[in-house]
Amino acid sequence: GQQLNQSPQSMFIQEGEDVSMNCTSSSIFNTWLWYKQDPGEGPVLLIALYKAGELTSNGRLTAQFGITRKDSFLNISASIPSDVGIYFCAPGSGNTGKLIFGQGTTLQVKP
Amino acid sequence: NAGVMQNPRHLVRRRGQEARLRCSPMKGHSHVYWYRQLPEEGLKFMVYLQKENIIDESGMPKERFSAEFPKEGPSILRIQQVVRGDSAAYFCASSPGGLRYEAFFGQGTRLTVV
Repeated sequence: GQQLNQSPQSMFIQEGEDVSMNCTSSSIFNTWLWYKQDPGEGPVLLIALYKAGELTSNGRLTAQFGITRKDSFLNISASIPSDVGIYFCAPGSGNTGKLIFGQGTTLQVKP
Repeated sequence: NAGVMQNPRHLVRRRGQEARLRCSPMKGHSHVYWYRQLPEEGLKFMVYLQKENIIDESGMPKERFSAEFPKEGPSILRIQQVVRGDSAAYFCASSPGGLRYEAFFGQGTRLTVV
């Protein structure tokens, strides 16, 4: 099956710090999506990437689709308490729209 | 808010009963996906449906689980003869299809089997 590794598993940072997380895979994907999930809620789409090498920003969030199409990273700049949650990478392949979710990165921000 | 609507939010069933989970996609979306999430884990794909068709059910357990997306009405995920191991959060997502992969998720149904 497709192996997907998301790291780090968890992060505990100070408010105002920058955060970086990434996903790597042994397989090639056509797209990489990044989601955030708050406790008791469904995942919320943050960024969608469709081209190898693409760098996309959404406010304080920046994500890149790796050149090899096997990896992606998400950066959060100047973190704030509401950034707390679980972040998932979710690459997709083929033409069905099916997504494969990473194990998640749990972010905690200390005010 | 015309987001993805799931109901019920919480469902408690005794072992052996049936569970029915409902999902109404976003307006204009004809593609529906069901995912399951166990505590402390990521979401696992179960099934992908379009209106009246199952496109990909590679993540569905072979027994007791079924899904449908009728021409009219919500998509239904049905679990027969539930067991404790079925306890999980079940999420539905919808997308407009085509070449875009953006899927928008509902708030989920938390199934507890007692």
